[in-house]
Amino acid sequence: DTAVSQTPKYLVTQMGNDKSIKCEQNLGHDTMYWYKQDSKKFLKIMFSYNNKELIINETVPNRFSPKSPDKAHLNLHINSLELGDSAVYFCASSNWGGDQETQYFGPGTRLLVL
Amino acid sequence: EDQVTQSPEALRLQEGESSSLNCSYTVSGLRGLFWYRQDPGKGPEFLFTLYSAGEEKEKERLKATLTKKESFLHITAPKPEDSATYLCAARGGGFKTIFGAGTRLFVKA
Repeated sequence: DTAVSQTPKYLVTQMGNDKSIKCEQNLGHDTMYWYKQDSKKFLKIMFSYNNKELIINETVPNRFSPKSPDKAHLNLHINSLELGDSAVYFCASSNWGGDQETQYFGPGTRLLVL
Repeated sequence: EDQVTQSPEALRLQEGESSSLNCSYTVSGLRGLFWYRQDPGKGPEFLFTLYSAGEEKEKERLKATLTKKESFLHITAPKPEDSATYLCAARGGGFKTIFGAGTRLFVKA
């Protein structure tokens, strides 16, 4: 069983389009995250939700909008895609204050904006 | 500002040649120091969590240690399958986990 899954794995799209990435976790965790990994492999936090509430919102363009329909899902919608949005996006989950807050990552979504 | 710095950026070893990876952190109220392994095209895979200075954890050929300012990942007699990027991350009193840029390890047979 996959603990943290993301779809799609690859996403190639044109500038200006709108796209969504989905994430699901079956670990029973109450906190989920979106990270962006750029070409230099630096992982940077974008958003975090705890029990469906937004708790971290880094300096991310408002073209990026996360949505958490329930504790097991966290989706990321991106409007008006730009070339600089090309990166690998990772979803992660953890227990807030529990399991020593270790985060478990999904396999990533490779986004290429042309 | 919270910061995590890893060194070296890349490390090339011969099979069986032991070495250490360094992670220096500046984090207020450390709540956890994490080590992950990332293979090309995959997500980070959890290795260890350390909570207080002096703590050590081991898994196969890997051992992680923690001081008040640094963490080390010691690799004993590495094998080619240990080749990967090793990421260090620290979680402080705030809500964020800060990642270092990683050390790319290459082990040659």
